[in-house]
Amino acid sequence: AQKVTQAQTEISVVEKEDVTLDCVYETRDTTYYLFWYKQPPSGELVFLIRRNSFDEQNEISGRYSWNFQKSTSSFNFTITASQVVDSAVYFCALRGQGGSEKLVFGKGTKLTVNP
Amino acid sequence: EAQVTQNPRYLITVTGKKLTVTCSQNMNHEYMSWYRQDPGLGLRQIYYSMNVEVTDKGDVPEGYKVSRKEKRNFPLILESPSPNQTSLYFCASSLLGQGLGEQFFGPGTRLTVL
Repeated sequence: AQKVTQAQTEISVVEKEDVTLDCVYETRDTTYYLFWYKQPPSGELVFLIRRNSFDEQNEISGRYSWNFQKSTSSFNFTITASQVVDSAVYFCALRGQGGSEKLVFGKGTKLTVNP
Repeated sequence: EAQVTQNPRYLITVTGKKLTVTCSQNMNHEYMSWYRQDPGLGLRQIYYSMNVEVTDKGDVPEGYKVSRKEKRNFPLILESPSPNQTSLYFCASSLLGQGLGEQFFGPGTRLTVL
């Protein structure tokens, strides 16, 4: 069975602080895909990043960075110099091969960035 | 513009009154899926479709039906809605297999069943 755990239910930081959102996954597939989505208060799901299981390179996009470590089955997301507009619920998700190809989501981490 | 559209965006209804939430994508994607989002539970898959006339149950299919008569459309049908189906619903689509991966989500439909 596949599973995604986001242990942090809620995080509150002050603007300009760095914050890391944790994601731990479980899968028996040798090939799989990991995602992060952002859900702002307006409710839509905004795709942030996709990473496949063969690519362990970390990625940086502006203030966002992702640390993928297969050894610990983790795919953590860091926001540097957080801003109020980063306030949202963030979901980590896993997609395996075959079967329903569904996305298995974590329960989400609600990030509040205070001015 | 590549997109997934859902209608309606908001719906308040009463128990037992049949309703349909439409979903349409313009990206020629084979794969389409419905998820529901509930507080503390994240998103869970209701039904999915690998292609026209091919549908299958996800993790929480009870009380829902779907159809896939055309590639672009994947409506979600609630024959007899109940209050426990009050939720935020998302339709998604993607290319099938090969790990091309990204699922494109619609804007969501917030359903309240009284």
